[in-house]
Amino acid sequence: DAGITQSPRHKVTETGTPVTLRCHQTENHRYMYWYRQDPGHGLRLIHYSYGVKDTDKGEVSDGYSVSRSKTEDFLLTLESATSSQTSVYFCAISESEALPNEQFFGPGTRLTVL
Amino acid sequence: GENVEQHPSTLSVQEGDSAVIKCTYSDSASNYFPWYKQELGKRPQLIIDIRSNVGEKKDQRIAVTLNKTAKHFSLHITETQPEDSAVYFCAGIAGGTSYGKLTFGQGTILTVHP
Repeated sequence: DAGITQSPRHKVTETGTPVTLRCHQTENHRYMYWYRQDPGHGLRLIHYSYGVKDTDKGEVSDGYSVSRSKTEDFLLTLESATSSQTSVYFCAISESEALPNEQFFGPGTRLTVL
Repeated sequence: GENVEQHPSTLSVQEGDSAVIKCTYSDSASNYFPWYKQELGKRPQLIIDIRSNVGEKKDQRIAVTLNKTAKHFSLHITETQPEDSAVYFCAGIAGGTSYGKLTFGQGTILTVHP
């Protein structure tokens, strides 16, 4: 499973509260990604990182921010959670510097915003 | 950006039959096409991928074919087994990026009946 963990695994929160999800990897891989998964939409890229302090937006970045101060951790923050952000969030990493496109996923975090 | 369409959305086969899932993409410069399998409640798992410099790749009962002219690629599963039942996702990556910005199809629910 490429040494990827996500925390928390489940969270229920209320509209308007800030939420931070954590992705941790043990292998010092350069590339990390955050996706959300919703029925009928497959997986959609939120933000990604190509190194410490190097991040960029994906397809559905509105309402989300990220930070990467250490190689092993990639944090996703919902500044003010909304019900539309109820989803399953997956972190992914690319193991190989030569193959940044080959991605492996973490176990996911199920977030419910009431 | 890249747009990936996946068909069919559901597929039901008898054990031992073959299953084929097809995806089309929009960016003619796309160069990497992975397939993921996701069992209920689990993370997506990379099962096979193909790069634009080859037309076919096989791994035991699974194969992927790529037609760059028509901009489509397909997953072929032969001798299906009940444990092949899952949701399958295709993805593509827009040309010109090296940061793995995958665009996923909407998924195909495959059911293999014993």
